[in-house]
Amino acid sequence: ETGVTQTPRHLVMGMTNKKSLKCEQHLGHNAMYWYKQSAKKPLELMFVYSLEERVENNSVPSRFSPECPNSSHLFLHLHTLQPEDSALYLCASSQFLAGGGYEQYFGPGTRLTVT
Amino acid sequence: QQQVKQSPQSLIVQKGGISIINCAYENTAFDYFPWYQQFPGKGPALLIAIRPDVSEKKEGRFTISFNKSAKQFSLHIMDSQPGDSATYFCAAAISRGAAGNKLTFGGGTRVLVKP
Repeated sequence: ETGVTQTPRHLVMGMTNKKSLKCEQHLGHNAMYWYKQSAKKPLELMFVYSLEERVENNSVPSRFSPECPNSSHLFLHLHTLQPEDSALYLCASSQFLAGGGYEQYFGPGTRLTVT
Repeated sequence: QQQVKQSPQSLIVQKGGISIINCAYENTAFDYFPWYQQFPGKGPALLIAIRPDVSEKKEGRFTISFNKSAKQFSLHIMDSQPGDSATYFCAAAISRGAAGNKLTFGGGTRVLVKP
C-alpha cells in the first residue's frame, strides 16, 4: 500500500448506529487530518493531529470522535449521526515542520450515507 | 465566515483554450497558497503552490498569478485538455507554527474541457 488509504470506501448507516472510519498513511508523516466534503461546504476541516496530539477541533459536533493511536493511523468514530452528516469524509497527512508543513496528501475518502 | 472566495463555480472551455480560476482571501497573515486538483472518486492532489514573495509561478501548462496588494491569486491552465476536467480548489495557510498545518479552502471550481 502506498500513500493514504481509507476504509471503508462506502458506508451506509442508520442514525442509531455506531461505526468507525479508518485512515492509514504510508508516507512517514507526523500530521493527520479529517475533512468533510459536501455540496454545501466543499472542503471543511474537522480535526488536525500533529505528533499524535489533537491541535485543531473545528467546532465539530460530539457525535464525531477522532482517535489517533500512532502517527500512521487515524480513526473517526461515528455515533447517532444525522442525515445532514452524509458526505465524503477525507483523510489527509503531511509532514509538519517547524517552519510550517504544507503539502497535504489526501486519501480517496469514505462516502457516508446516513439513513 | 469564508476566508477564501473562489470563482467561478464551474467553467466550460474548449480543448486548447485557457481556463482561469480566481481566488480572493481576507486574512493578510496567509503566506502559502496551493491549488489542488480533484478527479471524481479521488481525493484532492496538490497541483502547484506559491508564496507571496513571487508574483507568478509556472509548472508546465499551469500558472499561478499572485497579487498581494489585491489579496487575490489565480490559476491559469494553458492549452486545456480533456484530461484536465476536474474540480480545482484554491487554498491558503499561515506557514508559521502549528497553524501551518491548517489549510483554508475555497469553494471549488468544476472545470469541463470539451474536445
